[in-house]
Amino acid sequence: GDSVTQTEGPVTLSEGTSLTVNCSYETKQYPTLFWYVQYPGEGPQLLFKVPKANEKGSNRGFEATYNKEATSFHLQKASVQESDSAVYYCALSDSNAGAKLTFGGGTRLTVRP
Amino acid sequence: GGIITQTPKFLIGQEGQKLTLKCQQNFNHDTMYWYRQDSGKGLRLIYYSITENDLQKGDLSEGYDASREKKSSFSLTVTSAQKNEMAVFLCASSIDWGGYEQYFGPGTRLTVL
Repeated sequence: GDSVTQTEGPVTLSEGTSLTVNCSYETKQYPTLFWYVQYPGEGPQLLFKVPKANEKGSNRGFEATYNKEATSFHLQKASVQESDSAVYYCALSDSNAGAKLTFGGGTRLTVRP
Repeated sequence: GGIITQTPKFLIGQEGQKLTLKCQQNFNHDTMYWYRQDSGKGLRLIYYSITENDLQKGDLSEGYDASREKKSSFSLTVTSAQKNEMAVFLCASSIDWGGYEQYFGPGTRLTVL
């Protein structure tokens, strides 16, 4: 079956430093890839999605490139803010599973002022 | 816009008890989901309902029942609560089975004594 593996947390950074959260996936189909973000006390919300290989998604200064050859979708941000403290989930939806999502284990990010 | 409401926010039960969690959405979405969230394990799909009269098992359905009472509501029953089921249960919806973005509620935190 499908699987997603991402950086194990927690990750602690200082404001203004750069972030990379690694995400690798396995699937036999043609997936759409997602990053979701979950703030304390809330449900996850979509950060962005990328349906096609070799394309980049971005939102709020975060970005990730769908690398089909490496089966990766790493999340990056050049300069994190305290408000970015949250749990980040990488996920995929394969072409045969409709809207069903397979999530990674989540990465908790804490940004210190 | 719309919102997903989950009740109760916190649920405390006894081991062996039958417990029901409720979810309402006003997006007018066709498809609804129940996930279990455990720390470090991400989100795992318990049940989903593609349309109003449909019910499908997810990867973690054993020990749970679900019911799609009407288009806007989807409930989950823990048939016999176990101590290792202390987790957050998240409800989500998407416009339809081909609509990839899922919108999540804030969750119900279950504690089993």
